[in-house]
Amino acid sequence: ETGVTQTPRHLVMGMTNKKSLKCEQHLGHNAMYWYKQSAKKPLELMFVYNFKEQTENNSVPSRFSPECPNSSHLFLHLHTLQPEDSALYLCASSQDGSSGDTQYFGPGTRLTVL
Amino acid sequence: GNSVTQMEGPVTLSEEAFLTINCTYTATGYPSLFWYVQYPGEGLQLLLKATKADDKGSNKGFEATYRKETTSFHLEKGSVQVSDSAVYFCALSAQGGSEKLVFGKGTKLTVNP
Repeated sequence: ETGVTQTPRHLVMGMTNKKSLKCEQHLGHNAMYWYKQSAKKPLELMFVYNFKEQTENNSVPSRFSPECPNSSHLFLHLHTLQPEDSALYLCASSQDGSSGDTQYFGPGTRLTVL
Repeated sequence: GNSVTQMEGPVTLSEEAFLTINCTYTATGYPSLFWYVQYPGEGLQLLLKATKADDKGSNKGFEATYRKETTSFHLEKGSVQVSDSAVYFCALSAQGGSEKLVFGKGTKLTVNP
């Protein structure tokens, strides 16, 4: 399998549930990203990991908790979410996070919080 | 701060029509500029990019030229197809090693046969 994969593709959860989103990249990249895409809003960068170290946390609420165990895998752990957290969550990777570096996106996880 | 402004959609065209989607940016220094495309039900794909002034990015018949004097990176295609129907995002990456991509809000294009 090539590129950036995300699982699950769709997720419905209640506000008291705990779930995790998974992202895997097969491109040999060293930087990975989580974005949130809501209707009628620009893509919002949530977290950046570079060489497994978190280098960006864009004021994301603590109910979202990222984990990057190695350069190929990135998780987003979710707990006690709110209905307004319903969105498409996109993972991306790039070679090393430098300016001009192309980011490659996964297909996203469509999250619905009831 | 850095920002990207692109034309509001939606844009509806007939097949073989000429396409322009305007994009202007605000940034310090010399950012890299990108166009990404998102087809229905999919993630974003890089369409083209330019890393310095006067560079022209091109792919699949789409073109955009990095214009520093007008701080613009307009997307053009001479003859659109139904398969070009998607949402198009303009984005910039600031100079200086920043990992951040700053996106515009996206422009939805629908091409009718």
